[in-house]
Amino acid sequence: SAVISQKPSRDICQRGTSLTIQCQVDSQVTMMFWYRQQPGQSLTLIATANQGSEATYESGFVIDKFPISRPNLTFSTLTVSNMSPEDSSIYLCSVDTGVGNTIYFGEGSWLTVV
Amino acid sequence: GENVEQHPSTLSVQEGDSAVIKCTYSDSASNYFPWYKQELGKRPQLIIDIRSNVGEKKDQRIAVTLNKTAKHFSLHITETQPEDSAVYFCAASLLPYNTDKLIFGTGTRLQVFP
Repeated sequence: SAVISQKPSRDICQRGTSLTIQCQVDSQVTMMFWYRQQPGQSLTLIATANQGSEATYESGFVIDKFPISRPNLTFSTLTVSNMSPEDSSIYLCSVDTGVGNTIYFGEGSWLTVV
Repeated sequence: GENVEQHPSTLSVQEGDSAVIKCTYSDSASNYFPWYKQELGKRPQLIIDIRSNVGEKKDQRIAVTLNKTAKHFSLHITETQPEDSAVYFCAASLLPYNTDKLIFGTGTRLQVFP
C-alpha cells in the first residue's frame, strides 16, 4: 500500500477564512480523491483530483468552495473556502495505487470552524 | 447513480460471538466491494474486499460474501474481540470505470463487550 500523508492533521479555523489541506503520496498514483466525513457520518466524495486538469466534482460540491489542485502524480491540495461551522469535518485524501485498484486513505485532516 | 444501504446502524455483541453486517447496492454494474474499519479518531482502514467474480472471501476471522443476483454483500466477523469495536463501512464501486470512486454505506458501530 502507499504511504499517504496529509497536512494539517488538525486545525481550528475562524469562520470566513480558508484553509488548504495537502496530500502527499510516496509513489505515483493514477487516481486521487477527496472525501468529507462530517461528525458521526459516513464518507462523501467531494471530487476526483485530475492531474493536469480541473477536478471532477460530485453533486453538491463546487469548485469555488472546494478548489483542488493536482500538479503531479504524487501531490494534491484541497482548499476549503470561506469556512462556516458546517464545514467542520474530517477531510480525507484517498488514492488508487493502480495495484488491484485498491483504494487507501490518508490520515485525515480534522477541521473545526468556530 | 449508485446507492448503498447498510444495516444495522449499531451492533452489540459479547466477546467470542459472531457479528454480521449487511449492505445492499443499487447499481448492478458495480463490481468492487470493500469494507473499511474506522476506529475513533483514526482514518478508515481497508480490512477486506471482494470483486464481483468471487462469491466469498475469507481472511482469518473476517469473511465477506457477495450475492450479485440480490445485490447484497455481508461482512462476517467470527470470535469477536474487544479490539474489533469500531465503525465499519461498506462501499461499492465500478472498476476500472467510473473513475474508481467509492460510494459508502452509512456505517455500523460495532461494540464488543468483554
